[in-house]
Amino acid sequence: AQSVSQHNHHVILSEAASLELGCNYSYGGTVNLFWYVQYPGQHLQLLLKYFSGDPLVKGIKGFEAEFIKSKFSFNLRKPSVQWSDTAEYFCAVNTPNNAGNMLTFGGGTRLMVKP
Amino acid sequence: EAGVAQSPRYKIIEKRQSVAFWCNPISGHATLYWYQQILGQGPKLLIQFQNNGVVDDSQLPKDRFSAERLKGVDSTLKIQPAKLEDSAVYLCASSLMTRGTSTDTQYFGPGTRLTVL
Repeated sequence: AQSVSQHNHHVILSEAASLELGCNYSYGGTVNLFWYVQYPGQHLQLLLKYFSGDPLVKGIKGFEAEFIKSKFSFNLRKPSVQWSDTAEYFCAVNTPNNAGNMLTFGGGTRLMVKP
Repeated sequence: EAGVAQSPRYKIIEKRQSVAFWCNPISGHATLYWYQQILGQGPKLLIQFQNNGVVDDSQLPKDRFSAERLKGVDSTLKIQPAKLEDSAVYLCASSLMTRGTSTDTQYFGPGTRLTVL
């Protein structure tokens, strides 16, 4: 069974600092990759996704992620964080399978940005 | 465009009681998912519907959990009887495409926070 690991459970940064959140998955075949964000009191929202093509994906609010197949990684980055980026971030993977479109989530990384 | 709707937003019950959650997906979305998110963990898929049929319920504790999606639109998830370890947020998500289309995006509702005392 596939699994997703997010190495940092809690990250604290000051505004304008650069951000990189790690995500590794275990599946060896074709994968689709997602980052979701959950702002305080809000529901999960899609930040960005990778299906194929350019491994550097740009999402909303200045976020980007790079798919490195050889490392089974899909790390999320932002050059300069803002206080409003305080949220929990989830990496997710799905694989084509007979059952459909099942998403496997990582455990999440809680980001706090200090003003 | 309206998002995924869920109700109630919060529910507190005692163990061994029953509870039901309701989900209304985005209009036109064929696939509906129920996830369980325990505090400090990522969401875990419980069951997936394609229209009104079950695609995957391998992680649904069927001795106490049940779900249905009558008429292929709204869905309900029921727990009977509830246990302490069922305390979690129950998320509903929907996606547009049909089974076997892996390049599909799931959209999530606000969730129902269940506390079992």
